[in-house]
Amino acid sequence: GAGVSQTPSNKVTEKGKYVELRCDPISGHTALYWYRQSLGQGPEFLIYFQGTGAADDSGLPNDRFFAVRPEGSVSTLKIQRTERGDSAVYLCASSLESNQPQHFGDGTRLSIL
Amino acid sequence: AQSVTQLGSHVSVSEGALVLLRCNYSSSVPPYLFWYVQYPNQGLQLLLKYTTGATLVKGINGFEAEFKKSETSFHLTKPSAHMSDAAEYFCAVSNSGGSNYKLTFGKGTLLTVNP
Repeated sequence: GAGVSQTPSNKVTEKGKYVELRCDPISGHTALYWYRQSLGQGPEFLIYFQGTGAADDSGLPNDRFFAVRPEGSVSTLKIQRTERGDSAVYLCASSLESNQPQHFGDGTRLSIL
Repeated sequence: AQSVTQLGSHVSVSEGALVLLRCNYSSSVPPYLFWYVQYPNQGLQLLLKYTTGATLVKGINGFEAEFKKSETSFHLTKPSAHMSDAAEYFCAVSNSGGSNYKLTFGKGTLLTVNP
């Protein structure tokens, strides 16, 4: 069975550009999470989806960040007007339900030049 | 608010030696506690978790951890290190209430195993 899949694995772009990061969760998992891991730090919570809705987006750093999960499966994290400080590894995780163990993807390494 | 402190950003042991990775947490409500391992360029893999019940928790790959409420600690141990244990280890906490999905991670401890 496939695990959590994240694409692209690496993304390099210029400051000010728009980026989209994709997460394909484990089939049947209703809960989906995004985390950001900066260099030398542990992952930091960004947003949690239950089904199609964002149940908790309290970790999104500002309004340049937005995420969707329109059909309750694949999710896209969108970052507008990227800044160099957005450079990090963005991790996606999914779980069967919100109180079940989270399974992580390998992440997307985002570099803003 | 919750927080996690991992003492020692880098721990080095010899193959066959005891592994001890330290984790202290702060939480205003009863915590759920987790240890994850991260190999280079990979995501996090759950080693073990404590929610309720027995305070000594056994996980995969021979690791175990003990929840000590009085010390607010959840240290990770393994009796005998293998070369394949070399990785970064993260301790995490969530609360036991409605937002138990929200993991707060420590900064991680890089484990090196010397032959």
